[in-house]
Amino acid sequence: DAGVIQSPRHEVTEMGQEVTLRCKPISGHDYLFWYRQTMMRGLELLIYFNNNVPIDDSGMPEDRFSAKMPNASFSTLKIQPSEPRDSAVYFCASSPGQTYGYTFGSGTRLTVV
Amino acid sequence: QKEVEQNSGPLSVPEGAIASLNCTYSDRVSQSFFWYRQYSGKSPELIMSIYSNGDKEDGRFTAQLNKASQYVSLLIRDSQPSDSATYLCAVNVDKLIFGTGTRLQVFP
Repeated sequence: DAGVIQSPRHEVTEMGQEVTLRCKPISGHDYLFWYRQTMMRGLELLIYFNNNVPIDDSGMPEDRFSAKMPNASFSTLKIQPSEPRDSAVYFCASSPGQTYGYTFGSGTRLTVV
Repeated sequence: QKEVEQNSGPLSVPEGAIASLNCTYSDRVSQSFFWYRQYSGKSPELIMSIYSNGDKEDGRFTAQLNKASQYVSLLIRDSQPSDSATYLCAVNVDKLIFGTGTRLQVFP
């Protein structure tokens, strides 16, 4: 298995633009998670899905953030409009079950200027 | 109080020594615990999981869990310079909550 695949690896965008991050989980993993990592706040869970259904989005910072999982092999995290404080590394992770550890993708480093 | 707390370090140990990394958590209902290693600029990598009180050994790594004290630790024996990384403790409370990590430096 190729692991969790994220794209793009790096994204530089101007404030106010829409940003879409993409994730393909490991086949057979029923859980998908979106995390954000910054020096100040560490790894923060934004939202997670079980069988394509959003279960907990309490970590989504505000309405500018949205996430979808249209099928078992694809998820997106969208920021519209983007702001400089959204600059961070965004990780997608997947897991076969709720009590298992998660496998992380390589992350997307987002810079909003 | 933070849900998962770790000393940020850096923890500096000489090559060949034992590195001891500690983590405390606040939620008593937590049932599964994990240690991740993260090299600079890379993604977190799962290295240990532990579900019951006591010790669990895997190669040079030993995870220790004490649910009564809400404490989990990671011991790295025969530390190598390649072990230099940030170690993240994670606790499952319906979802994984991560500590901010302890930076380990192993010097030759």
